[in-house]
Amino acid sequence: ETGVTQSPTHLIKTRGQQVTLRCSSQSGHNTVSWYQQALGQGPQFIFQYYREEENGRGNFPPRFSGLQFPNYSSELNVNALELDDSALYLCASSPAGGALLSPLHFGNGTRLTVT
Amino acid sequence: DQQVKQNSPSLSVQEGRISILNCDYTNSMFDYFLWYKKYPAEGPTFLISISSIKDKNEDGRFTVFLNKSAKHLSLHIVPSQPGDSAVYFCAASSPTGGSQGNLIFGKGTKLSVKP
Repeated sequence: ETGVTQSPTHLIKTRGQQVTLRCSSQSGHNTVSWYQQALGQGPQFIFQYYREEENGRGNFPPRFSGLQFPNYSSELNVNALELDDSALYLCASSPAGGALLSPLHFGNGTRLTVT
Repeated sequence: DQQVKQNSPSLSVQEGRISILNCDYTNSMFDYFLWYKKYPAEGPTFLISISSIKDKNEDGRFTVFLNKSAKHLSLHIVPSQPGDSAVYFCAASSPTGGSQGNLIFGKGTKLSVKP
């Protein structure tokens, strides 16, 4: 069983630039969620995708956007990067039904540094 | 305003003894609680969960206790092992929280188990 994989593992960008992070969900999982974990904080929910549509969103501005593809993989795009966007970005997948039926399975994350 | 609080940033325990990690929440609508463990450079890994209709759930060395009236839950690890050294996150979800992938996490407690 293939777990959740994320790429790249590390990334350095300059303020104002745009970034795309990628995630392949665990085999058999069709729901993908993205979380941001700032230093010293717990993960914060950004949004979730199910059947290629956004299915819930946390308190993040519109410059955070995403996509889900027919093979259930997903992208997180962040425009106009700010210094505070520096964080670990975690992708998690789950079968349809989400947390109540099956816990989220997380990837190892992408460490984004904005300078 | 934090809805899930882990007030102890760190905990140190001797191998073989009990580790008790605590978590408080403020939202009475939360109906499902999870504990995740995170090693450095890895994503969070699901450990154990509990539904609000229960007050205890046990899985091997791990037991989670829920006190709804106090809005408090705790994770007990007995006996503690050096491999348990990690950051432990408490998380909660509610049926009104939109998508089921929307978990609210605490800031985490770093557990160190000394040989």
